[in-house]
Amino acid sequence: ELKVEQNPLFLSMQEGKNYTIYCNYSTTSDRLYWYRQDPGKSLESLFVLLSNGAVKQEGRLMASLDTKARLSTLHITAAVHDLSATYFCAVNSGGGADGLTFGKGTHLIIQP
Amino acid sequence: DAGVIQSPRHEVTEMGQEVTLRCKPISGHDYLFWYRQTMMRGLELLIYFNNNVPIDDSGMPEDRFSAKMPNASFSTLKIQPSEPRDSAVYFCASRITGEQFFGPGTRLTVL
Repeated sequence: ELKVEQNPLFLSMQEGKNYTIYCNYSTTSDRLYWYRQDPGKSLESLFVLLSNGAVKQEGRLMASLDTKARLSTLHITAAVHDLSATYFCAVNSGGGADGLTFGKGTHLIIQP
Repeated sequence: DAGVIQSPRHEVTEMGQEVTLRCKPISGHDYLFWYRQTMMRGLELLIYFNNNVPIDDSGMPEDRFSAKMPNASFSTLKIQPSEPRDSAVYFCASRITGEQFFGPGTRLTVL
């Protein structure tokens, strides 16, 4: 059974600081996704990582993937309040299975 | 494009009633997914379709749940009879390749 673990599950940080969210998964996968969810809202796609060593950046967010370690990271640079949200990583189990298995999410609060 | 459309956005019903949730995927997308989100269990895949054919329904919690996709632009998720533990936000998502695009969700409350 595919398991996806995120840590931390809760993070409170100050504006201007850097931090990293970690996502580990238990079995081989061919794609890893990062989503953002604001309270009471839907999920917004941030990144899709397709191969080992993939790195993608959008603004203050950068995601990377190490398929050998089954680890992805979401790095936040010089955090701003608008980045406060819950961040989910998700993995499909590959081999033609297209549904996603999600981590529990990281609830991020960025304080002014 | 309007994105994935779900209706209703909110549904309050009583235990034992039938509930039908609706989804219109993004035009041209050939995969459609149904997920459920609760505080206790997080986001769970219920079922997904490819070209209107159900591919994996192993996440459907029990026989009270059923899903159909009669054509490329419409899918339903039905719960009959509904129970209080079915209260959750139900998301529909669609894709061609790459990321799945999520609809706004239906917040279901079963009293």
